[in-house]
Amino acid sequence: EPEVTQTPSHQVTQMGQEVILRCVPISNHLYFYWYRQILGQKVEFLVSFYNNEISEKSEIFDDQFSVERPDGSNFTLKIRSTKLEDSAMYFCASRDLSTLYGYTFGSGTRLTVV
Amino acid sequence: LAKTTQPISMDSYEGQEVNITCSHNNIATNDYITWYQQFPSQGPRFIIQGYKTKVTNEVASLFIPADRKSSTLSLPRVSLSDTAVYYCLGGRGRDDKIIFGKGTRLHILP
Repeated sequence: EPEVTQTPSHQVTQMGQEVILRCVPISNHLYFYWYRQILGQKVEFLVSFYNNEISEKSEIFDDQFSVERPDGSNFTLKIRSTKLEDSAMYFCASRDLSTLYGYTFGSGTRLTVV
Repeated sequence: LAKTTQPISMDSYEGQEVNITCSHNNIATNDYITWYQQFPSQGPRFIIQGYKTKVTNEVASLFIPADRKSSTLSLPRVSLSDTAVYYCLGGRGRDDKIIFGKGTRLHILP
């Protein structure tokens, strides 16, 4: 079964540092998403990406965040200057044109900001 | 996007059938109902999706009455490994982004 792959599985960074979270979506999927989940809380939408541009973003996705699909296979989330409250699980997801089979989520990257 | 309401938590025992009901009173005509499962420290996983009546796959069944104001996810003969959070989602928002609620935390006991 095709998978969405995320790396690294766990990242520890110092406050103020930049981090890049990486995702390899399923190859024939066209829509890409980032979500985050703070420990003990619900999964929150960050951003959706289609046709090489952001199609929608949430209030959480402020100027500190950016996404990129640099080479047609990877999909990255960059946090420019991390804050303590950015500590969370970050999930990448992708889907194809049809939503009949839902989204496929990756296993996530646990980001810990110290 | 349809607003959904589901129980915060449920307990059941191994071997039992578990039914989780979700209310979605304002579901739109072209909305589907989708259920996801999330294990601790993992991403959500698509379980099943339906529009009306009954849908069954190898994991679960989904029952949707004619008025579509609610749906029931049925898990047959649960095991300890079915302990997870189950999310009911309705809608086809712009770009079909998913908005998760708090879900139902299902705890299976031996």
